[in-house]
Amino acid sequence: DTTVKQNPRYKLARVGKPVNLICSQTMNHDTMYWYQKKPNQAPKLLLFYYDKILNREADTFEKFQSSRPNNSFCSLYIGSAGLEYSAMYLCASSRVGLYAEQFFGPGTRLTVL
Amino acid sequence: GQQVQQSPASLVLQEGENAELQCNFSTSLNSMQWFYQRPGGSLVSLFYNPSGTKHSGRLTSTTVIKERRSSLHISSSQTTDSGTYLCALGLHSNYQLIWGSGTKLIIKP
Repeated sequence: DTTVKQNPRYKLARVGKPVNLICSQTMNHDTMYWYQKKPNQAPKLLLFYYDKILNREADTFEKFQSSRPNNSFCSLYIGSAGLEYSAMYLCASSRVGLYAEQFFGPGTRLTVL
Repeated sequence: GQQVQQSPASLVLQEGENAELQCNFSTSLNSMQWFYQRPGGSLVSLFYNPSGTKHSGRLTSTTVIKERRSSLHISSSQTTDSGTYLCALGLHSNYQLIWGSGTKLIIKP
């Protein structure tokens, strides 16, 4: 099974409220990623976990949190959603190695009102 | 400068014609992936092709490392092929994918 699953597929949130998105994979991949995708823009890497080590991009450091309780699951947490957080959130996973294909989930469409 | 140049930015063809999409990269390659972006923004993985040629139905991907380019060829295009195609370069140095700016393909009936 080479699928990455994401829940929920659609999320409606109010400004100022928290948002928690879930991703899972059963490929035993050591690295899991979260991307933000807005219309007409390339996916933007927000953060990734290599094993238990979290790496967050400098420009999104304070906006997104994440946890990885085990190898299969990874969450993306927004403490206080703003209108600018409305986007598609894509989770991906890969195995560390010379040729590391990233497998993407179907995404969670977040709309902040 | 931009490490991945994707071209053309847009392409309009008649159904049945062949489409050729290109990605040129200016840095050493670890991997190359091609994606189809659905209207809602989710990604469909088309090819993982760090080198050589791969086929999938009417689609062919060719990556030539020496020439620092990768192409996606769609033969006998159909209206359902319309959409945005993205290439993404994986680097040796880190885990990131460097994304092309996308090609918007429109196939007219």
